[in-house]
Amino acid sequence: GQSLEQPSEVTAVEGAIVQINCTYQTSGFYGLSWYQQHDGGAPTFLSYNALDGLEETGRFSSFLSRSDSYGYLLLQELQMKDSASYFCAVRDSNYQLIWGAGTKLIIKP
Amino acid sequence: NAGVTQTPKFQVLKTGQSMTLQCAQDMNHNSMYWYRQDPGMGLRLIYYSASEGTTDKGEVPNGYNVSRLNKREFSLRLESAAPSQTSVYFCASSGLPGGLNSRNEQFFGPGTRLTVL
Repeated sequence: GQSLEQPSEVTAVEGAIVQINCTYQTSGFYGLSWYQQHDGGAPTFLSYNALDGLEETGRFSSFLSRSDSYGYLLLQELQMKDSASYFCAVRDSNYQLIWGAGTKLIIKP
Repeated sequence: NAGVTQTPKFQVLKTGQSMTLQCAQDMNHNSMYWYRQDPGMGLRLIYYSASEGTTDKGEVPNGYNVSRLNKREFSLRLESAAPSQTSVYFCASSGLPGGLNSRNEQFFGPGTRLTVL
């Protein structure tokens, strides 16, 4: 079967750094994406890794290790507006996305 | 640019009723998707359309039908609604798949919140 595992909830303090992990087991792999979803809203794209290594976009970075079937999203200088759910998703051989169940990020002042 | 639009935003149905969820995109994207999202879960693909004139089943197609009316519009139909279909439905679109380094970003509509009693 195909599955993505990520923690259901992570709590952090405003201004801190938090890492959200994702491990995957899929029949095909063509990249790992991260999406953000605020309560009541639609998912929005954050980042994409096709090759091993770190991709940086402002306060957000994403890492991929294909040999370990593992990736993470790193959020720095946390702000209250970063409170949301974060989903990892694997792009399979049909260019479709297989989604994890999401990690709810709770930020405390 | 409106991006991806969906109608209606909210809907309540009785068991056995039918309805069609509408989706349109103005980004000239080839691919369109219908997902459902249940509380505390990720998105599950119901159907997708890789290009105009084609549709394919996703992970959870039972109880649904789709129509790719033209390049812009992709509708989802529930023929006989059941309480298990209570969910939030998202439509999404993306451009040409591209190569491995193409991020193939999906753009989402605001969702339809459907309750089946």
